Amino acid sequence: DARVTQTPRHKVTEMGQEVTMRCQPILGHNTVFWYRQTMMQGLELLAYFRNRAPLDDSGMPKDRFSAEMPDATLATLKIQPSEPRDSAVYFCASGLVYEQYFGPGTRLTVT
Amino acid sequence: GIQVEQSPPDLILQEGANSTLRCNFSDSVNNLQWFHQNPWGQLINLFYIPSGTKQNGRLSATTVATERYSLLYISSSQTTDSGVYFCAVEVGSWGKLQFGAGTQVVVTP
Repeated sequence: DARVTQTPRHKVTEMGQEVTMRCQPILGHNTVFWYRQTMMQGLELLAYFRNRAPLDDSGMPKDRFSAEMPDATLATLKIQPSEPRDSAVYFCASGLVYEQYFGPGTRLTVT
Repeated sequence: GIQVEQSPPDLILQEGANSTLRCNFSDSVNNLQWFHQNPWGQLINLFYIPSGTKQNGRLSATTVATERYSLLYISSSQTTDSGVYFCAVEVGSWGKLQFGAGTQVVVTP
């Protein structure tokens, strides 16, 4: 049963610390997305990659967020330095043609 | 940008009831998907339906692209149908989805 996996599932950190979230897309999927979900803003697209190349990261605060895809089996989202307003659930999704399949999310709390 | 509006925002159903959720969008789209976010937070892909009608068990969906709306039908609802249902449409290049605010569904025994 192919699934998108994300680690860690939960992360509590102090303001100013670096946070790295990891995602393993479904094998064979060529597009990877990072989303953030909050009560106030709902689901927002932060960045996405196709064939490991970044296509759009306009939804991401550039000064503190970075997204990379070092190989086809790993995507990372990094926040440095983290702030309390970054507290949210971060989802990774992958897709091949039309549909997107979501991972379980990383619940981030920044205190 | 494109607007995606879902209604109703909340829905309480008794087990066994049927319901219809609606998604309106402000511009023509190439891609429309319905997702269910269960009470544990997992987002599950229900339908890819840019036009026409599809059915999967007790769920079905219809998109009338020319009139810019999509409907999700839940028949004989069960408590496991509880959660938030999201409609999402493609914005611009493939894959960039714009999500609606969702419909929160609670099915009571």
